[in-house]
Amino acid sequence: DAGITQSPRHKVTETGTPVTLRCHQTENHRYMYWYRQDPGHGLRLIHYSYGVKDTDKGEVSDGYSVSRSKTEDFLLTLESATSSQTSVYFCAISDGRDENAEAFFGQGTRLTVV
Amino acid sequence: AQKITQTQPGMFVQEKEAVTLDCTYDTSDQSYGLFWYKQPSSGEMIFLIYQGSYDEQNATEGRYSLNFQKARKSANLVISASQLGDSAMYFCAMTQGGGNKLTFGTGTQLKVEL
Repeated sequence: DAGITQSPRHKVTETGTPVTLRCHQTENHRYMYWYRQDPGHGLRLIHYSYGVKDTDKGEVSDGYSVSRSKTEDFLLTLESATSSQTSVYFCAISDGRDENAEAFFGQGTRLTVV
Repeated sequence: AQKITQTQPGMFVQEKEAVTLDCTYDTSDQSYGLFWYKQPSSGEMIFLIYQGSYDEQNATEGRYSLNFQKARKSANLVISASQLGDSAMYFCAMTQGGGNKLTFGTGTQLKVEL
């Protein structure tokens, strides 16, 4: 199994509070991604990173920011959580050598905003 | 913009029978990758199979095969000899642009019955 660890695995937070989710990899893969999974939508890309300090927006980036200060860590921050951000969040990694490279996913973080 | 369509929200199959999960896609890119992932009730995302847009042969991985019809823009997953452990949500996905970013369909919930 690819070495991807997401923390925390579960979190309940209040509306308006900041939340940071962490993704840690031991594979030294170049690309890292944050997706959210909601019923009826599949998984949607929030942000991704193609190297240390190199990040870009995905399809549903509003209300989220990311940082990658080390190859192995990719942080997703909700500056002020809203109920619409209640979701399951997945981190993924890919070595990105070409589009053949599959993405490996973490176990997911279930976030509930009350 | 790329789009993946999975028109079967739910499917039932008898154990040991074959089942086809439908996936159609839309893209203006000439080079792309198509993937299938399995998500059991435990929640993790498991990579199953990959097909490149330039691959002439259909991909196979054990009991999984991908029926790739490029002109019809379809990438159906065929599972042969279904097992109870195949009961899960199945997602079709494709890479979009550089960086191996994935666009997902909404998924098909497969239930294997005795």
